[in-house]
Amino acid sequence: DSGVTQTPKHLITATGQRVTLRCSPRSGDLSVYWYQQSLDQGLQFLIQYYNGEERAKGNILERFSAQQFPDLHSELNLSSLELGDSALYFCASSVDLDGRRTDTQYFGPGTRLTVL
Amino acid sequence: GENVEQHPSTLSVQEGDSAVIKCTYSDSASNYFPWYKQELGKRPQLIIDIRSNVGEKKDQRIAVTLNKTAKHFSLHITETQPEDSAVYFCAATLGTLGRLYFGRGTQLTVWP
Repeated sequence: DSGVTQTPKHLITATGQRVTLRCSPRSGDLSVYWYQQSLDQGLQFLIQYYNGEERAKGNILERFSAQQFPDLHSELNLSSLELGDSALYFCASSVDLDGRRTDTQYFGPGTRLTVL
Repeated sequence: GENVEQHPSTLSVQEGDSAVIKCTYSDSASNYFPWYKQELGKRPQLIIDIRSNVGEKKDQRIAVTLNKTAKHFSLHITETQPEDSAVYFCAATLGTLGRLYFGRGTQLTVWP
């Protein structure tokens, strides 16, 4: 158990719908990262938040958005869903301590999204 | 941005043999190189990592080597066991942003 939690574990929805995925980082971790893993694909970085602020953006579609709340949990919002959005969505967390960044990222169990 | 390439994409070995997976990266500013193991449908789990100020690191049957000049790093698994079967991902981080750039993964199969 990495200490990172994600809900829900599975999500089945229809095209055109909107869903929200939730991630709670390890206790004390300030950074949250979102990754997408499609079937037979590697891990694609979507977006990073650090202490409530967006830190870095990757290959995230305009239909997707994220935020990090004061309690440091994060939500990834996916809208106007398409069949191709079906994937495993992972979040990971790491911590920055007084300007000394710790690189290690710990992954949550993921949310499997199926768009029908 | 950074580009990480990983080879081979599949690797089959006999139990007890060694396995080697190689990755190259493009940006010389990358300074942290973790390796993750992912079993089917599970989360990626960190198995070993190395920083740019170190050339080699070992943890029991697993070792990682880094050649900064050539910009490549490798994972070595000795005395492989069937439970080592999984997909292995290498990754690199660039500068201080912290995002991971992943290779495309290697499916390792260890036959008993």
